[in-house]
Amino acid sequence: GAGVSQSPSNKVTEKGKDVELRCDPISGHTALYWYRQRLGQGLEFLIYFQGNSAPDKSGLPSDRFSAERTGESVSTLTIQRTQQEDSAVYLCASSLAGGLGEQYFGPGTRLTVT
Amino acid sequence: DQQVKQNSPSLSVQEGRISILNCDYTNSMFDYFLWYKKYPAEGPTFLISISSIKDKNEDGRFTVFLNKSAKHLSLHIVPSQPGDSAVYFCAAISSGGSNYKLTFGKGTLLTVNP
Repeated sequence: GAGVSQSPSNKVTEKGKDVELRCDPISGHTALYWYRQRLGQGLEFLIYFQGNSAPDKSGLPSDRFSAERTGESVSTLTIQRTQQEDSAVYLCASSLAGGLGEQYFGPGTRLTVT
Repeated sequence: DQQVKQNSPSLSVQEGRISILNCDYTNSMFDYFLWYKKYPAEGPTFLISISSIKDKNEDGRFTVFLNKSAKHLSLHIVPSQPGDSAVYFCAAISSGGSNYKLTFGKGTLLTVNP
C-alpha cells in the first residue's frame, strides 16, 4: 500500500527491556513525525525529522527515548529500559514537506510494558 | 497544561441530524487548526482545516467554524451518517513557530445511531 506503515502493530514487553518501533513513511515524504497517545489522552508530539536530521526532539520524554531515520525513509524509535508509564500507542506520520503540509498517520504500535 | 481542549469525551446523535464537536484553545499563537478522524486500530486521518484568517471552511458535509476572540472552534457534520462514528481530534499549529508540531486535544467519540 501507499500509506504509512508501522511495525509491530502490538508489542508486549517486560519492564526494563529495550524496544524498537519501526515506521515506513510514504515514499517521497521528507518530513516524518513520531507521536504517542497514552490512554485517555490526546496525541503528544515526540520528534520531527526533516530528511535524516531531527531539528526538533523536544517532545522526547526522557533520555531513554531516541530515534533515527536513514535514507530519508525508514525511522526507528527506540525506548531503553522501558517503564510502565511508557505504555501507549506510538504513532508515526509523514508529510511531503515540513510546515503546514498535511500529516499522514500510520496505524500505530500499541506498546504494553508489564 | 492542555493548550487544546475538547471538553466532551463523547457525543451521540441520530442519523440525519447535525453533529457539533467543540474545541477550545488557550495559546493565542495558534493560527491554523485541523480536525482529524480516527477509527479503532487505525491512525488519524485528516478531515478539514481552517486558517485564522477565515471564520468558516466548508467541505461537503463538514464545516469548521472558528471564533478567534473566544478561542473556540467547532466542527459541524450534517447530515450525520453511521459511518461518521469515530473519535474526532482537534489539533492546532502555530505557523510562526514550530509550524510542523500539531498540538492535539483528547478527542471526542462520536456515535451516530441508525
